[in-house]
Amino acid sequence: GENVEQHPSTLSVQEGDSAVIKCTYSDSASNYFPWYKQELGKRPQLIIDIRSNVGEKKDQRIAVTLNKTAKHFSLHITETQPEDSAVYFCAAHGGSSNTGKLIFGQGTTLQVKP
Amino acid sequence: DAGVTQSPTHLIKTRGQQVTLRCSPKSGHDTVSWYQQALGQGPQFIFQYYEEEERQRGNFPDRFSGHQFPNYSSELNVNALLLGDSALYLCASSLDRGPEKLFFGSGTQLSVL
Repeated sequence: GENVEQHPSTLSVQEGDSAVIKCTYSDSASNYFPWYKQELGKRPQLIIDIRSNVGEKKDQRIAVTLNKTAKHFSLHITETQPEDSAVYFCAAHGGSSNTGKLIFGQGTTLQVKP
Repeated sequence: DAGVTQSPTHLIKTRGQQVTLRCSPKSGHDTVSWYQQALGQGPQFIFQYYEEEERQRGNFPDRFSGHQFPNYSSELNVNALLLGDSALYLCASSLDRGPEKLFFGSGTQLSVL
């Protein structure tokens, strides 16, 4: 069935270093891949998203890459700051068109040490 | 511009009881989706409402039901509560049933004792 695997489950980096989180998805019909950041006790917030007709997208210190052939996509955060510490979730659109179903990964807890 | 609002923020129930959670979508959005987030897990899709109808459903039993009102607000009902229903219930709104730019509310933390 539909599945999104996310790695690593925890990631600790020094302030200023880069962080990379990787996800794989199972449904080849998926065409939309958002990333959400969830701080403790708060709502998931969309930080960046990418559609399947694009291989890479950047927004300041955040970038996402997509490899449709391998069914793999990654989040890259450069020059990490303590405020980047949170749980990050990748997600994949649930396949068929005109649906709002997102399949989420298990989450990555990112800790940025000052 | 109000974002997605949910009520109540916290709820404690006992096994077998019934619960109703409420959600108002972001202004301009017409679609509401509900997700269940267990502790330490990613959100899991329950169902989506568009034009007052359930358009898609995840792998949840019939104990989970919902409703969408003409003003696009929505309710999630859970009957015969089980301990395993304890979770954060997130409402998300979007436009035109698509998954793009899904905006989440802060959720309702449900504890079943």
